Amino acid sequence: QKEVEQDPGPLSVPEGAIVSLNCTYSNSAFQYFMWYRQYSRKGPELLMYTYSSGNKEDGRFTAQVDKSSKYISLFIRDSQPSDSATYLCAMSGQAGTALIFGKGTTLSVSS
Amino acid sequence: GAVVSQHPSWVICKSGTSVKIECRSLDFQATTMFWYRQFPKQSLMLMATSNEGSKATYEQGVEKDKFLINHASLTLSTLTVTSAHPEDSSFYICSAPQGGTSGEQYFGPGTRLTVT
Repeated sequence: QKEVEQDPGPLSVPEGAIVSLNCTYSNSAFQYFMWYRQYSRKGPELLMYTYSSGNKEDGRFTAQVDKSSKYISLFIRDSQPSDSATYLCAMSGQAGTALIFGKGTTLSVSS
Repeated sequence: GAVVSQHPSWVICKSGTSVKIECRSLDFQATTMFWYRQFPKQSLMLMATSNEGSKATYEQGVEKDKFLINHASLTLSTLTVTSAHPEDSSFYICSAPQGGTSGEQYFGPGTRLTVT
């Protein structure tokens, strides 16, 4: 079992849809959780950062962490064509240590 | 968020030559930086951890004599690909933790290396 599992998709949705992206993990020591967005041939851009369990909202994006289920989610509301990218979940057990990444989910939003 | 830069963004070199890639944290200090490699349609693969004032630590399977890492200051780490071969062609990305108790990490824009 890999440490972090993420469905690679691809995921195709129409503009305006609500998108749900998920990752599961096996290491209960993880407590720092991040979602990155990566456009083709660009570096990953930090979208959401959550420490421990809970929800965090930033504009159209909501990140949820359920440590009891070892499950994290990213919701995108009112999706736009510009949201078309690969979304990577990442996590670590200690601040400042290397991140463990999911495989990434490729999202396509059509207008 | 914090800003990490990389230079160059794209480099083409001939087989057998060496290439240096720079990674800078522009608005914060980073005692640790990470170097990743990414192949098309794949996730990031950690190559090594760059430590300011000490030797880098390499992941299993990464040749330390081929991928030389130097953490010259609290804002600069360099990756030198020595005697490059076509199979070293890839997308190289660095990241830097923001520091303190924050788990946030920021990535550079990446460097595309093509070895001919």
